[in-house]
Amino acid sequence: QQQVKQSPQSLIVQKGGISIINCAYENTAFDYFPWYQQFPGKGPALLIAIRPDVSEKKEGRFTISFNKSAKQFSLHIMDSQPGDSATYFCAASGSGTYKYIFGTGTRLKVLA
Amino acid sequence: GAVVSQHPSRVICKSGTSVKIECRSLDFQATTMFWYRQFPKQSLMLMATSNEGSKATYEQGVEKDKFLINHASLTLSTLTVTSAHPEDSSFYICSADRAGVYEQYFGPGTRLTVT
Repeated sequence: QQQVKQSPQSLIVQKGGISIINCAYENTAFDYFPWYQQFPGKGPALLIAIRPDVSEKKEGRFTISFNKSAKQFSLHIMDSQPGDSATYFCAASGSGTYKYIFGTGTRLKVLA
Repeated sequence: GAVVSQHPSRVICKSGTSVKIECRSLDFQATTMFWYRQFPKQSLMLMATSNEGSKATYEQGVEKDKFLINHASLTLSTLTVTSAHPEDSSFYICSADRAGVYEQYFGPGTRLTVT
């Protein structure tokens, strides 16, 4: 119940394309869903986050779509660029705790 | 804002020695700090949660006597790997959250190599 399932494990996208990464959870007490971007040898950086009271949040080229009934959320990267090549992690938090449950990560490669 | 630093960024030590890693929140006070371990091409594994002035809470399977955590102030937490062995070689990352906010801000990580 505490797991967050992330897919795909790896993704290759052409420059200018849309990258889509999906996550699913089971614990309905989760109420905060952030996405992090991590470059090799660096710590994760917060990209965008959403709470269950909205179905979509957009910040620049990054959009989170949230489906509460399906217990799924996804990250869309529009106009993907080679500089977006990194590993992306979804996470979930809630139940009165600040602990994050992380997904397994998606390695994105954007071809120039 | 919300910058977290870690020191050192890289450390190589001999087997049997202890290593201390510092985590600092530079521009905010962190009521809670977290320590993670990350193996190559894997996700982040939470090791422990620490609150200022109290004992850390360790995740199942993490040896508290081996990974000593001290959260001495609202801006500083330290992780000491005691009697390090080659299997402790890993990427250690800390994070900090602001009071009342769910967002965790991560440090740049520390690469520990035990020879």
